[in-house]
Amino acid sequence: KAGVTQTPRYLIKTRGQQVTLSCSPISGHRSVSWYQQTPGQGLQFLFEYFSETQRNKGNFPGRFSGRQFSNSRSEMNVSTLELGDSALYLCASSFTGTGETQYFGPGTRLLVL
Amino acid sequence: DAKTTQPPSMDCAEGRAANLPCNHSTISGNEYVYWYRQIHSQGPQYIIHGLKNNETNEMASLIITEDRKSSTLILPHATLRDTAVYYCIVRPVLRGQNFVFGPGTRLSVLP
Repeated sequence: KAGVTQTPRYLIKTRGQQVTLSCSPISGHRSVSWYQQTPGQGLQFLFEYFSETQRNKGNFPGRFSGRQFSNSRSEMNVSTLELGDSALYLCASSFTGTGETQYFGPGTRLLVL
Repeated sequence: DAKTTQPPSMDCAEGRAANLPCNHSTISGNEYVYWYRQIHSQGPQYIIHGLKNNETNEMASLIITEDRKSSTLILPHATLRDTAVYYCIVRPVLRGQNFVFGPGTRLSVLP
């Protein structure tokens, strides 16, 4: 069974631009969560989607948004990029998101110049 | 969610057992103990989890104390490829998917 896939793997943007990252969960998994990892703050939860609905949200500004499609694939968008948004963005999936193990993708490394 | 405390770093000789401790003294009865590891710049990899009983899989063993206030992850024969940051997380059984990651333990396996 294929694992969680994320595209692109690397991305360079400039301040003020916007970016969209994509995540394909493990087949059959309906819950997708997004995390941001930076050297200073570590791994932080962004949001979780289940059945195309945002179910949980972390403490990030509204510039960070996401969505989930009917096939459970998810995208996250960051608008008006700031230098501090440079990070590894990780996606994780599980069957229903309740009391289950999450499996992480390889991440998208975003560099904002 | 209960907080966890782990040593910031540990060394282990190649071929020896690596024993990584985790303190979770405020854990409640409906919280699992999960272990993940992250090899440099890759996504975290699931290792093992448990509720009350000790658990073993092909990667590791998890020993949970009887009072559940601490646990130990055991890698029985550490290899250089086990060098990574190891995260211990406690997480409610019936909640949404927001794992809370601490700084973890940086394990260095030495030749």
